[in-house]
Amino acid sequence: GQNIDQPTEMTATEGAIVQINCTYQTSGFNGLFWYQQHAGEAPTFLSYNVLDGLEEKGRFSSFLSRSKGYSYLLLKELQMKDSASYLCAVPPYNQGGKLIFGQGTELSVKP
Amino acid sequence: NAGVTQTPKFRILKIGQSMTLQCAQDMNHNYMYWYRQDPGMGLKLIYYSVGAGITDKGEVPNGYNVSRSTTEDFPLRLELAAPSQTSVYFCASSALEGYNEQFFGPGTRLTVL
Repeated sequence: GQNIDQPTEMTATEGAIVQINCTYQTSGFNGLFWYQQHAGEAPTFLSYNVLDGLEEKGRFSSFLSRSKGYSYLLLKELQMKDSASYLCAVPPYNQGGKLIFGQGTELSVKP
Repeated sequence: NAGVTQTPKFRILKIGQSMTLQCAQDMNHNYMYWYRQDPGMGLKLIYYSVGAGITDKGEVPNGYNVSRSTTEDFPLRLELAAPSQTSVYFCASSALEGYNEQFFGPGTRLTVL
C-alpha cells in the first residue's frame, strides 16, 4: 500500500525561504508530484520528480531521494500569494495514472 | 480550450436524495478521475477511468457510481445521499502516456442535510 506524510501547517515570512517535507512509503515507485491549492480553488500542478536530485523552476524547487522515501518543496523569496496548501502525491505502482495524495501542508505567509 | 469543466458549482441535497455531478474535458485525455476533499484534508480518489467504457474503484467508492460512455464525459452519481457525503468534489483528467500531471476542474461543493 501507500503512505504519505506531510506537516499539517507551516508559517513563514514574506521574502524568506521555506521547505515543505514529504515522506512516502510505496510498493514500487513511479515518481512524486507536488500540487498547489489555494483556498476554495482546484489543485494545480507544480512539479514531478522521478529521479533523485533537485529540480528548479523559478522560485520553486523540488527535491527527491528515492532511497530515503523523501521529497521536499523549496519556495524562495516568499510572496503573500504563496499562501496555499501544498499537496504531495504518488502514483501507485502499475495502476495507471491515478494518484494517492497526502493530506497537504497549509502554508501561511506573513508580512 | 475550456479544460475540465464541472457542474453544478454548489448544491444542497436532503438525506436520501440522488444527483449527478457532471464533468467534461476537451483535451482528449483518456484518463479521468473523481476525488472528494473534506475540510483540511487531502484528496481521496472515488473512481477513475482509463478510457471510454472502462471504470474502476478508487479508495472511497461506496455510495457512488460512475459511467464513461464518451472520452469527454465522466459523470458521478450519488444515490441516497448521506451527511457523510458532504464534501468538495473534484474531477480531473490526464493524458494516456506515462505519469502525467492531472488537470483539475473547479470543483462542486456539496452539502447533504
